[in-house]
Amino acid sequence: SQQGEEDPQALSIQEGENATMNCSYKTSINNLQWYRQNSGRGLVHLILIRSNEREKHSGRLRVTLDTSKKSSSLLITASRAADTASYFCASEGNTDKLIFGTGTRLQVFP
Amino acid sequence: DGGITQSPKYLFRKEGQNVTLSCEQNLNHDAMYWYRQDPGQGLRLIYYSQIVNDFQKGDIAEGYSVSREKKESFPLTVTSAQKNPTAFYLCASSGQGAGELFFGEGSRLTVL
Repeated sequence: SQQGEEDPQALSIQEGENATMNCSYKTSINNLQWYRQNSGRGLVHLILIRSNEREKHSGRLRVTLDTSKKSSSLLITASRAADTASYFCASEGNTDKLIFGTGTRLQVFP
Repeated sequence: DGGITQSPKYLFRKEGQNVTLSCEQNLNHDAMYWYRQDPGQGLRLIYYSQIVNDFQKGDIAEGYSVSREKKESFPLTVTSAQKNPTAFYLCASSGQGAGELFFGEGSRLTVL
């Protein structure tokens, strides 16, 4: 399977804590993207990091990319109950197709 | 509002029947995609189209068919040849290659 992998599969934290999710992919990439999915809904794009970038920020989100290890991480700081969702990484290689990871289910308790 | 509209949201099918899922976008995007999502899993690519009147198989195309007669529309037919069609189907579009994808709200198909 070409699918990437994410860990942990599930994560439960309290509001105000930080949440870190990790993603590994298998082939060389042009960029890596993170998406969010609320239960039973479509995916929403969060952030894109290019292969020549190492870190990117957007609001409470911080993404890092290590191409030598073929891995990325998503950090959500000061989490809120509304952050409860599944988070997916997706890598774009030379085929112009996105390959999605298996996702991390995040539960943030008030 | 610009976006992607999938219909129906829920669909029930008897074994042996073909069903067609609709996907319409008004974002003026060239590329459109169909993904399948099984419970607790990531997305797997069924078919994609980079331009009108052209489409390519994804990783799990067997038992599915598509058409791209208009830029705005990319319907997916789940045929009776698909052995395990019960799943959540997501349509997406993008403006440049496989950059940021915009997703519809999905169609949940259940085979009775």
